[in-house]
Amino acid sequence: QQPVQSPQAVILREGEDAVINCSSSKALYSVHWYRQKHGEAPVFLMILLKGGEQKGHEKISASFNEKKQQSSLYLTASQLSYSGTYFCGTEITPNFGNEKLTFGTGTRLTIIP
Amino acid sequence: GAGVSQSPSNKVTEKGKDVELRCDPISGHTALYWYRQSLGQGLEFLIYFQGNSAPDKSGLPSDRFSAERTGGSVSTLTIQRTQQEDSAVYLCASSLAIGHSFDQPQHFGDGTRLSIL
Repeated sequence: QQPVQSPQAVILREGEDAVINCSSSKALYSVHWYRQKHGEAPVFLMILLKGGEQKGHEKISASFNEKKQQSSLYLTASQLSYSGTYFCGTEITPNFGNEKLTFGTGTRLTIIP
Repeated sequence: GAGVSQSPSNKVTEKGKDVELRCDPISGHTALYWYRQSLGQGLEFLIYFQGNSAPDKSGLPSDRFSAERTGGSVSTLTIQRTQQEDSAVYLCASSLAIGHSFDQPQHFGDGTRLSIL
């Protein structure tokens, strides 16, 4: 039930845009996005609940397509500080007593000057 | 305010020994989560607490793993008879739990790096 992230790794020049995808084989209730820099703890970016709502702040936004069971994270005009590994975490339709967040294997993003 | 605190930050122990990892969540956060991250891998969900209760323990890798939480605050993850495959970074996170536990952002601690010799 682990979501599949793509691409596994991407290298961008500062100012370029990136899209990171997260796909699930199960119907999703929510998708979480986190960024982790090397040797540090993951940091929360955003949560999307089912409904196809797009969320965002500054130049990082995300969409959630409930029908396609996937979410995409959009990074526009990337900055050096965006470098890190991005993880999506998915929760399938909640069943009390059996909730869990399953994370993908991550997308390593490297921004170069 | 203070974030999630985990101790020890590093633990090296011999195979077969027991280890206890501690997590002190953000004050007021009723939900607490344990994850394991092997080198270069994603986050593996282990268990979560709502208050002192863990609704589902099936994510724990084996019966050598146990976790408890007391007073709705500090949690300990115990690994008995450690094996080399237990080597990993163990991350704890906490969140507010307004309604459904997984609707809220999770705030992670810096983790405990566990090395089994």
